[in-house]
Amino acid sequence: GENVEQHPSTLSVQEGDSAVIKCTYSDSASNYFPWYKQELGKGPQLIIDIRSNVGEKKDQRIAVTLNKTAKHFSLHITETQPEDSAVYFCAASKNSGGSNYKLTFGKGTLLTVNP
Amino acid sequence: DGGITQSPKYLFRKEGQNVTLSCEQNLNHDAMYWYRQDPGQGLRLIYYSQIVNDFQKGDIAEGYSVSREKKESFPLTVTSAQKNPTAFYLCASSLELYGYTFGSGTRLTVV
Repeated sequence: GENVEQHPSTLSVQEGDSAVIKCTYSDSASNYFPWYKQELGKGPQLIIDIRSNVGEKKDQRIAVTLNKTAKHFSLHITETQPEDSAVYFCAASKNSGGSNYKLTFGKGTLLTVNP
Repeated sequence: DGGITQSPKYLFRKEGQNVTLSCEQNLNHDAMYWYRQDPGQGLRLIYYSQIVNDFQKGDIAEGYSVSREKKESFPLTVTSAQKNPTAFYLCASSLELYGYTFGSGTRLTVV
């Protein structure tokens, strides 16, 4: 089955700096890569996702890049703010004819933005 | 507002006791999932269901059971066979593969 590795496990940055979180996946057939943000005591929320037919997607201060050849994808947060502090999860899956709905998650990155 | 509701928020279980965690969604999503979250372990899939009256085991199904009698509901029972049930449990739903919506979680503690 799919295996997703996520690094780093913790990341501390100064407010205004950029933060980058990286993930690798094992199944070359995976074609969907979402990122989730989880605040303390809450459920994860989808913040951005990318499908395998594009290499980059951006939404305001957040961007995701995908390298299918190397089987890795990254989350980039620019101009970080204290409210960006949370645990971030990457995930991967493949849509094999509508029968596979499972996401495999990385172990998470605790991002701390220091004011 | 559409969403996914988990209850209770906190649950305490005695040794040898079965407990049931509730998950309800009004998003008209076909698929529903249960994940377990432990510190440093990420999210691990317990069970998932793609349609009513059908469900599949995930990676860590031992000691858990589920039912899917209604499209809106996917309760999880933590049985006495689950030796280490203390964890944060998350329910999610999705319309086909994309866009999981998570509930706010249930924290289960064995006392």
